[in-house]
Amino acid sequence: KAGVTQTPRYLIKTRGQQVTLSCSPISGHRSVSWYQQTPGQGLQFLFEYFSETQRNKGNFPGRFSGRQFSNSRSEMNVSTLELGDSALYLCASSLEGRSTDTQYFGPGTRLTVL
Amino acid sequence: AQSVTQLGSHVSVSEGALVLLRCNYSSSVPPYLFWYVQYPNQGLQLLLKYTTGATLVKGINGFEAEFKKSETSFHLTKPSAHMSDAAEYFCAVSDPHQAGTALIFGKGTTLSVSS
Repeated sequence: KAGVTQTPRYLIKTRGQQVTLSCSPISGHRSVSWYQQTPGQGLQFLFEYFSETQRNKGNFPGRFSGRQFSNSRSEMNVSTLELGDSALYLCASSLEGRSTDTQYFGPGTRLTVL
Repeated sequence: AQSVTQLGSHVSVSEGALVLLRCNYSSSVPPYLFWYVQYPNQGLQLLLKYTTGATLVKGINGFEAEFKKSETSFHLTKPSAHMSDAAEYFCAVSDPHQAGTALIFGKGTTLSVSS
C-alpha cells in the first residue's frame, strides 16, 4: 500500500497570505490528524478528522482550519499567515481513529513564511 | 492535563553501546504510550507502543521499552547501538478516555552514534 502523501512538500508564502495543504491517507484509513512541528514548540496536535467530522482540536487560533472529504483525503488551511507559522506540518492517518491505533505519518509540508 | 518529559535533548553513544532514552509522563490515569523515530527530512515512524498487557514492549530495529506505572516512565532501550540509529526520538501519549488519536509529544531526544 502507498503511504501517507502530502502536497506540496515545500511552500514559501508571505505574511498575510493564506495557504492550503493537502494530505492523502493510506487507503482504507478513516482518521487523519495534523501536527505542527517547530524547533521551539516541538510537535503540537492541530486537529483530527474522522468520517468528515472534526473530532478533536488542539490549542491553535481559528486561523487554522481543516476539512476531510468523503474519500478521507484532508486539507488544512491557514489564513492570514504570520512569521510564527513557519513550520513542518505533518499529517498522520490511522485505520479507525482509536487512541490505541498506530498513526502513520507523511513526510510533511515545510512552510516558510517571509 | 497530560504532559511528557524526555530527559536529555541530546544523547551520544558509541557504536555497540547501550542506548537509553528516558521518557516520563504526567497524567491522572495511565495513558497509552508510544515511541516514534524521525530521520532527517522524513515523517515519524512508530517504533513501539504500550496500550495494555505486558509492560515490556518490543519494537522494530531491536528497540524495546518498559512501562513502569509506579515511576510514570516508559524508557526506550537498545542493547547495541548502530550507526543507522542516529535520529530524533519522540515519546508520546494518548488519552485512553478520549475518542480519537490526538498525541501529546515530548520535546524529542536526538541520538548521535559515533564509530
